[in-house]
Amino acid sequence: GAVVSQHPSRVICKSGTSVKIECRSLDFQATTMFWYRQFPKKSLMLMATSNEGSKATYEQGVEKDKFLINHASLTLSTLTVTSAHPEDSSFYICSALRPTRANEQFFGPGTRLTVL
Amino acid sequence: QQQVKQSPQSLIVQKGGISIINCAYENTAFDYFPWYQQFPGKGPALLIAIRPDVSEKKEGRFTISFNKSAKQFSLHIMDSQPGDSATYFCAATVGQGAQKLVFGQGTRLTINP
Repeated sequence: GAVVSQHPSRVICKSGTSVKIECRSLDFQATTMFWYRQFPKKSLMLMATSNEGSKATYEQGVEKDKFLINHASLTLSTLTVTSAHPEDSSFYICSALRPTRANEQFFGPGTRLTVL
Repeated sequence: QQQVKQSPQSLIVQKGGISIINCAYENTAFDYFPWYQQFPGKGPALLIAIRPDVSEKKEGRFTISFNKSAKQFSLHIMDSQPGDSATYFCAATVGQGAQKLVFGQGTRLTINP
């Protein structure tokens, strides 16, 4: 299967600071990437759809000014959690859409964010 | 109408047995139904997927059964192994996968040796 990487895998930060998470598709170009949030023992919650060269589309209830998404190239999307608070602590997962007939989404390994 | 309901929430199966996880949906516009496997601390991995023009798809020990009229689909894991212990998510989407996925609630599967 295709490979999607995320960096960092874990990050601990102080409350009030900003954290950037990178999502890269390593062996295909992805015009569309998705960002999810997952709480322990829960399903994935879509936060936003990231389209290369255009503004991200945020799901209802997700603060676009708090979760900044940039998709500057066909292989890289970034999620920046601004002014992080303890309630932002979660597992963040990205996925990249491989534009073949199958239109498969391949997920990254996730980033564990802990805000102290 | 966008929901995908998954059951059971947790499942324990003996090694060598058959694991069955069920999902139901309401939106008849869904046209792509993937299953994902997730291990703790990892991202989901695509396991197998089906489109509504077929009633069954098999890949190795994994089979998806699809009932379009009942709007239900299920994952069968034959000869279940301890290494299959993971959380499984069904999902659905429109646009043959090009749109956002709607996930089920997940099933935590444990295979006892």
